[in-house]
Amino acid sequence: DAGITQSPRHKVTETGTPVTLRCHQTENHRYMYWYRQDPGHGLRLIHYSYGVKDTDKGEVSDGYSVSRSKTEDFLLTLESATSSQTSVYFCAISEVSGEQFFGPGTRLTVL
Amino acid sequence: AQKITQTQPGMFVQEKEAVTLDCTYDTSDPSYGLFWYKQPSSGEMIFLIYQGSYDQQNATEGRYSLNFQKARKSANLVISASQLGDSAMYFCAMRVYGGSQGNLIFGKGTKLSVKP
Repeated sequence: DAGITQSPRHKVTETGTPVTLRCHQTENHRYMYWYRQDPGHGLRLIHYSYGVKDTDKGEVSDGYSVSRSKTEDFLLTLESATSSQTSVYFCAISEVSGEQFFGPGTRLTVL
Repeated sequence: AQKITQTQPGMFVQEKEAVTLDCTYDTSDPSYGLFWYKQPSSGEMIFLIYQGSYDQQNATEGRYSLNFQKARKSANLVISASQLGDSAMYFCAMRVYGGSQGNLIFGKGTKLSVKP
């Protein structure tokens, strides 16, 4: 299995608080992604990174920011969490081609 | 626009029978890959099978095969000899190689239930 971990695995927070989710890989893959999964929508791309300090927006990036200061770490930040950001968040990694490997997911609840 | 369509929200299959999960895709880029992932109730995303747009033969991985019909833009997943452990959500996804993103575009999934 690809070495991808996400932390925390579960989090409950209140509206308006900042939240940071961490994705850590041991595979040295170039690309890293953050997706969110909601019922009826499948997985949707939030942000992605194609190298250290190289990031870009995905389909549902509003309200989220990311940072990648090292190859192995990709952080997703909700500056001021809202109830609409209650979701399951998946990190994924890949090389230029081929399959993406997914982390175990983080279940975030915003009250 | 790039899009994946899975028209079967839910399906039932009898144990030991074969089942086909439908997937159609839309892209104007000639270079792309098609993927199937399995998501059991435990929540993890498990990669099953991959088909490249230039691959001449249909991909197979054990009991999984991908019925790739390029002209019809379909990439159906066939599971042979269904097992109870195959009960899960199945997602079809596409990755277009022409752009720089490289992200997967997912369908909404099909929930497969295997009956004993």
